[in-house]
Amino acid sequence: EAGVVQSPRYKIIEKKQPVAFWCNPISGHNTLYWYRQNLGQGPELLIRYENEEAVDDSQLPKDRFSAERLKGVDSTLKIQPAELGDSAVYLCASSWGNNSPLHFGNGTRLTVT
Amino acid sequence: DQQVKQNSPSLSVQEGRISILNCDYTNSMFDYFLWYKKYPAEGPTFLISISSIKDKNEDGRFTVFLNKSAKHLSLHIVPSQPGDSAVYFCAASAGGGNKLTFGTGTQLKVEL
Repeated sequence: EAGVVQSPRYKIIEKKQPVAFWCNPISGHNTLYWYRQNLGQGPELLIRYENEEAVDDSQLPKDRFSAERLKGVDSTLKIQPAELGDSAVYLCASSWGNNSPLHFGNGTRLTVT
Repeated sequence: DQQVKQNSPSLSVQEGRISILNCDYTNSMFDYFLWYKKYPAEGPTFLISISSIKDKNEDGRFTVFLNKSAKHLSLHIVPSQPGDSAVYFCAASAGGGNKLTFGTGTQLKVEL
């Protein structure tokens, strides 16, 4: 079974620039998550999708962050404009249902200079 | 407000001995608990889980214990192997949903 695929692995941008991350979940997993992990911390949920619907985006800073999941499969997370404090690892995960384990991708490490 | 706490940032154990990683939580609504393992430059990998209707779950060398009255869970690894060296995250969710709240992680080092 292919795992969750994320790209790019690393991204370095200057502040105020836009950036986008892409995620392809495990085939058959209807639920997709974007997490952000700051250095020395655990992952924190940004947004959760059930198919195409964002069912929990309460933690997403909507002034600069946006996400979409077209056709209920791949997803993109965008930041515009990026700030220094956005430097973190952005993790995508998928699962097939409630109380089923999340499977994470390897993440995108974002550095904002 | 840190609802899931891992108070030991690091733990060092000799190969072959038992590793015990601890986790405390404050939200009494949590009813599903998981442990994830993370190697550098990789995403977290699911290790083992436990529902609040149980107090113990085993999978090979890994056992998770849940003490609901104390709001405490622990992960036991026996015997510990050098390949177990990683960061271990405790996570919890409530009400059948999959909104996981993670702890800050414990770096386990298994020494030869």
